[in-house]
Amino acid sequence: NAGVTQTPKFRVLKTGQSMTLLCAQDMNHEYMYWYRQDPGMGLRLIHYSVGEGTTAKGEVPDGYNVSRLKKQNFLLGLESAAPSQTSVYFCASSPFRSNTGELFFGEGSRLTVL
Amino acid sequence: QQPVQSPQAVILREGEDAVINCSSSKALYSVHWYRQKHGEAPVFLMILLKGGEQKGHDKISASFNEKKQQSSLYLTASQLSYSGTYFCGAVTGTASKLTFGTGTRLQVTL
Repeated sequence: NAGVTQTPKFRVLKTGQSMTLLCAQDMNHEYMYWYRQDPGMGLRLIHYSVGEGTTAKGEVPDGYNVSRLKKQNFLLGLESAAPSQTSVYFCASSPFRSNTGELFFGEGSRLTVL
Repeated sequence: QQPVQSPQAVILREGEDAVINCSSSKALYSVHWYRQKHGEAPVFLMILLKGGEQKGHDKISASFNEKKQQSSLYLTASQLSYSGTYFCGAVTGTASKLTFGTGTRLQVTL
């Protein structure tokens, strides 16, 4: 099994450009999450989804949009990238609500905004 | 609001013990612990549910004090492979939001 796969793994953008990060999981998990990781800040939750067709805001949702049209995919979009969005982005999935079960993480996507 | 971890960093010699603490300003429903090696994804260690339980995972164990809204991770007889950054994750309600602390960098040396 591939588990959780993120694409692309690396991307450089110019300020104002848009892009979409794709997260795909093959474990039939209901719950999916997008986190960003910055030095000294730990992992901060951007958006999450508790099932196909549903999304909710996390701690730092501004500047990002998400969609969960298919159960196995969770897309993170940046409509107008800013240097402050330079970060490593991790997607995670879980078969359980996060209060009871572990998260399975992807390998991360490193985004640089110039 | 992120849970607070302490210490921020610790250096150990192989075989020594360490404790990493995690505290929340809100009532904790459950606590997760993860370890992340440099350049890799976080890996799940254990989860502790409301009820003050203690869990073990090889020589790594954790406790959860619901009243104090705290959890502690105990690493005994540390090995080189224990090096990495440890994150606690807090769930403060029945919602599905898991909020991570800022991490504790652990380095084990010979």
